[in-house]
Formats: sequence, C-alpha cells, structure tokens
Amino acid sequence: EIVMTQSPATLSVSPGERATLSCRASQSVSSNLAWYQQKPGQAPRLLIYDASTRATGIPARFSGSGSGTEFTLSISSLQSEDFAVYYCQHYNNWPRTFGQGTKVEIK
Amino acid sequence: EEQVVESGGGLVQPGGSLRLSCAASGFTFSNYWMSWVRQAPGKGLEYVANINQDGSERYYVDSVKGRFTISRDNAKNSLYLQLNSLRAEDTALYYCARGGKIIDFGGQGTLVIVSS
Repeated sequence: EIVMTQSPATLSVSPGERATLSCRASQSVSSNLAWYQQKPGQAPRLLIYDASTRATGIPARFSGSGSGTEFTLSISSLQSEDFAVYYCQHYNNWPRTFGQGTKVEIK
Repeated sequence: EEQVVESGGGLVQPGGSLRLSCAASGFTFSNYWMSWVRQAPGKGLEYVANINQDGSERYYVDSVKGRFTISRDNAKNSLYLQLNSLRAEDTALYYCARGGKIIDFGGQGTLVIVSS
C-alpha cells in the first residue's frame, strides 16, 4: 500500500496570502495524484487531477504541481471560502489512498 | 443535475449487517466506475471499494475484504454496499462517489454506527 503523507497538518494563513500544501508518496505514483477540498458536513470536492489539471469549475488560483513522490497544491490568494481541509489521493494502483489532510485555517 | 444520494445507514451491533444504497441521477450511470469512500468521525478519508461499469471488476481495501460486497444495478441506476460482520472501526460516514480513480463528486453520505 502506498502511504501518502501531507504537511503541514495545519496551515494558518491570512486572507489574500498564498498557501502551499505538500503531499509525499511512499513510492512513485507518477502523475496519478488528485487534490480535494472538504468543508464540514460536505463531501470532498475535486480540485486537481493528474497532479496539475484543474477540475471543471475550479478557480485559477488553485494550482498543482509535482510528479513521482513529491506534490504541491498552491492557492495563490486565499479567499474566505478556501478555508477548509485539503486531501491528496493517489490512483496509481489499488488501494487508492489519501493523505491525512491539511487544515487551512484563518490566521 | 448530476447527483448521487446515499441511504441505508444506521445503528447496528458488532457482528451485524447493513446494506447501503446509492441512487444516481442526471448522468449515464452505466458509463462510470463507482466507488464507496468512508470517513470515520473526525478522521480522514478512506477508499473502501470500487466497481467497474458492468460489475465484472471489483476492488476492496484489505480491512473490508471478505466482509463487504460492492454491487450495482444499472437498470435501476443504483450502487450498493453490503456490510457484514461489522466492527466498531467500521463506524463512519459512507460516501457514494462517481469514479474509480478520481472522485468526480459524491453524495452527502450515510452514517453507519457500530456499537452495542
């Protein structure tokens, strides 16, 4: 099983600032990596797939990068609606696994 | 509008069974892999099982193999998860999700509580 490790666990950011979230895979997942946003009481929302492709309707302030074992999700200018928990997930093989999440909170 | 709606959760004793259902609408259900993903209270996400378009391929996370069964009825646009031999650690919100690799979108979930 591929273990996905996200850092930091919590990120405190002021509105309008940039946020950078990291995700590391225990072995290469190529570019088979997705990012999701989850708000309390809601299902996860797909933001990025194939490591860097924005899903339909996702604002351009969200960007993903990386391949192999190291990945990054960047949010260029945090809006109030962006404060949430973010998860990475690989789909290189089975089982698909998620990272433990990074909570982005208001500083 | 594309959506999935889960049902069937509830309180069950350890060792008991439940059948979760997921009703899909707004898209051609038979064209998509479908999945179940769960989230224990206050915890992260876990990919539980998925199934291909005609039901001929099914995959399970090790912790549920032999206890859970994923199935689908394309004529009814429905996905199912049969949960047997339930354990306390199966307590979670279970999401039905479109997709077998990436979760395109999911429902609001159905809560399963395993407790005596």
